[in-house]
This record gives sequence, C-alpha cells and structure tokens, in this order.
Amino acid sequence: DVKVTQSSRYLVKRTGEKVFLECVQDMDHENMFWYRQDPGLGLRLIYFSYDVKMKEKGDIPEGYSVSREKKERFSLILESASTNQTSMYLCASRTGQGVIEQYFGPGTRLTVT
Amino acid sequence: DAKTTQPPSMDCAEGRAANLPCNHSTISGNEYVYWYRQIHSQGPQYIIHGLKNNETNEMASLIITEDRKSSTLILPHATLRDTAVYYCIVSRASGSRLTFGEGTQLTVNP
Repeated sequence: DVKVTQSSRYLVKRTGEKVFLECVQDMDHENMFWYRQDPGLGLRLIYFSYDVKMKEKGDIPEGYSVSREKKERFSLILESASTNQTSMYLCASRTGQGVIEQYFGPGTRLTVT
Repeated sequence: DAKTTQPPSMDCAEGRAANLPCNHSTISGNEYVYWYRQIHSQGPQYIIHGLKNNETNEMASLIITEDRKSSTLILPHATLRDTAVYYCIVSRASGSRLTFGEGTQLTVNP
C-alpha cells in the first residue's frame, strides 16, 4: 500500500516563526502536492512538484515556499507564520503517468497564535 | 476543469445502498470524473474514476449518464464506516490539479 506520512498531526506555532511541514511517500511517486483545507473553502492547492527540484505554484502560493531535494520528500515552508495560515495541511503524491489517483497523508493541523 | 455540483448532505440507513449524485454539465470530452471521500480527521481517499463507461471496483460503482453531464456514486451496502464527505471532481487525465469543492456529507445511520 502507498504510504504518505506527514511529520506532525498537530502543531502550534507563534506569529512570525518559520515553520517546516514535512511529507514523505514510499512509492517512488514523481508528483507531490501540498493543499490546505478550511471550512467553507474546500481543499486548495498551494504548490506541487513534478520531480526533484521542480515546483509549480498552485492556487494560493502566497506566504509559502516548498523544497523537493529528494524524490520521496516534499517540504512546505511558512517563512513567517501568520494567524491566517492556521489550517489543516494535506500532502499528496501520485505517479506521473496516465489517469492516476492522488494518495493523501493524514494531515497536519497547524495553529498559529 | 469543469465545475461540479453536489448536495451538501445525505442520509442513508446501514445496509442499504447509498446513491450520491453529482452534476457536471460543463464537462469536456477529455475530462474524467473522480470520486474521493474524506473520513473525519483523515486525508481524502480515492474511490473510483471514469470517463464515459460505468465503472465498478471493490469500494463502489460509478454510473455516468450518456451525455456525461451527471454521475452517481453507488455504495451498494453502506456501513457506519462509510460516513464521510464525498467529493466529485472533474479533471483531465494529465492534469495534476484536483479541485475539491465542499462535497456531500454522507451520514450512515444504524
């Protein structure tokens, strides 16, 4: 079974802190994604990566950056956390060919105070 | 990607079939219909997808109308563990972006 793991289930950070959210997948998938999920807004794509060292902006990239140095790991970085970044963050991965479903991690609930 | 419309909530009795509708009237010829679900406090889980033919797997069946403007996800014998938010998504095969709306909250009652 595909396994997508996220470094923390719950995280509390202070405004202005630099925050790292880590995601690891074990199926050699080319594509990886970061979403955030908020009530009334559904899931929104922040960034995605087609391959190592490659990244593309999603629908709401402002305030975020990403890093993909190894194929299995995709990191989301909040350079200076703000209260409006309090949210559920979900990582996903998929292979790069054909009609392929995305496999999601369990999510990280981030609270910025 | 085409927009989808789903009812916000549905109820179903345990052991009965759950039929979840989705409208996607602006779907284009190369777009697939995907269904995912999200159980509380978990990440979304892929269920099934289809282009124009009906599809069945171990989790569910997907019925797509001939004009492809709507579809129905069928859980043949719903259990309490099927209580979740179900998302209908339309996307190209090569597209990486899956746009999740608010979905349908399905509650399976004992």
